[in-house]
Amino acid sequence: NAGVMQNPRHLVRRRGQEARLRCSPMKGHSHVYWYRQLPEEGLKFMVYLQKENIIDESGMPKERFSAEFPKEGPSILRIQQVVRGDSAAYFCASSPRTSVGNEQFFGPGTRLTVL
Amino acid sequence: AQSVTQLDSQVPVFEEAPVELRCNYSSSVSVYLFWYVQYPNQGLQLLLKYLSGSTLVKGINGFEAEFNKSQTSFHLRKPSVHISDTAEYFCAATFNNDMRFGAGTRLTVKP
Repeated sequence: NAGVMQNPRHLVRRRGQEARLRCSPMKGHSHVYWYRQLPEEGLKFMVYLQKENIIDESGMPKERFSAEFPKEGPSILRIQQVVRGDSAAYFCASSPRTSVGNEQFFGPGTRLTVL
Repeated sequence: AQSVTQLDSQVPVFEEAPVELRCNYSSSVSVYLFWYVQYPNQGLQLLLKYLSGSTLVKGINGFEAEFNKSQTSFHLRKPSVHISDTAEYFCAATFNNDMRFGAGTRLTVKP
């Protein structure tokens, strides 16, 4: 059973471009979470999604950021018009529907560098 | 408000010495508690978790943690560390299905 997959692992964008980060949850997991980790900082929750639904986006910046988890295919975190401050590691995690304590399984992350 | 606090941002220790990484939480509801480890340029890996039952939880790589409800703590311990334990350690708690992380503790094991 493959773990959580994220791609690309590294992404370089120039200011003003768009960044698309993909996350494929573990097989059988229907809950996806996105976190951001800035250099020398901890993990910050961004958004929690289930298939075709955003459950909690309280950690998402109000502008330029969006996330989706379609019925088919991976979850996508999209950042429009990137700025240098968006440079960070973005982690995706997944959990099954019946996860006791909401244990989450993490992907390897996508490291975004904005030039 | 629910929160997780890791009291030490950095912990340097010599090889084979014992180590304790501190974690406290604040919550008015039941919690589940976790410790994750992050090696350089990698994702988070679960070390151990407390869901219920015995308050002393044993995890991988010789780590253990003790849930103390009265002190609202979940400190991580290892009796003898190795160079390979050098990593970032995150304490996390689930409050009503929302997982929140502490800021992390960077453990550096010196030879």
